Amino acid sequence: NAGVTQTPKFRILKIGQSMTLQCAQDMNHNYMYWYRQDPGMGLKLIYYSVGAGITDKGEVPNGYNVSRSTTEDFPLRLELAAPSQTSVYFCASSSGDSYNEQFFGPGTRLTVL
Amino acid sequence: DQQVKQNSPSLSVQEGRISILNCDYTNSMFDYFLWYKKYPAEGPTFLISISSIKDKNEDGRFTVFLNKSAKHLSLHIVPSQPGDSAVYFCAAESGGSYIPTFGRGTSLIVHP
Repeated sequence: NAGVTQTPKFRILKIGQSMTLQCAQDMNHNYMYWYRQDPGMGLKLIYYSVGAGITDKGEVPNGYNVSRSTTEDFPLRLELAAPSQTSVYFCASSSGDSYNEQFFGPGTRLTVL
Repeated sequence: DQQVKQNSPSLSVQEGRISILNCDYTNSMFDYFLWYKKYPAEGPTFLISISSIKDKNEDGRFTVFLNKSAKHLSLHIVPSQPGDSAVYFCAAESGGSYIPTFGRGTSLIVHP
């Protein structure tokens, strides 16, 4: 199993540009999450999904959008990139069982200039 | 307002000694706690967890202690090894929400 994969690994965007961060998992997990990690700030939840067709906002959703058309994929869309969105983005998935261990992807480092 | 706090940004320990990482929480609805380990340029990986019905959970060199009355948990690593050098995140969940709240992390450095 590949686990959770994310592409791209790195990206530099200009202010106002758009992009989609891709995330896929092959563990048949119902739950998927997008986090951002800023230096010294821990992991902040952007959006999450409890299953295909269902998404919900997390703590910091502004400026982002998601979709969940399949169990495997959970892309994160940035429509108008701003310098405040410079961060490392992690996608994660979990089965939603009693222990809810999350499996994380390797991250995407995004810089907006 | 931080509901999960890791007040020590960093910790330095000698190889072979015990590492103790602390985590405090404010939300009494949290009933499940997890620790994750993160190496640079990688995603976090799950380390160990504990539910609120227990006060201790052990897995090899790693033990998590939970003090519900103090709203405090700690991760003990014994003996510490250089490969344990990483950032450790504490996370808490409530009532089957499956939405964890993370602390800011503690960077552990284990010196040979």
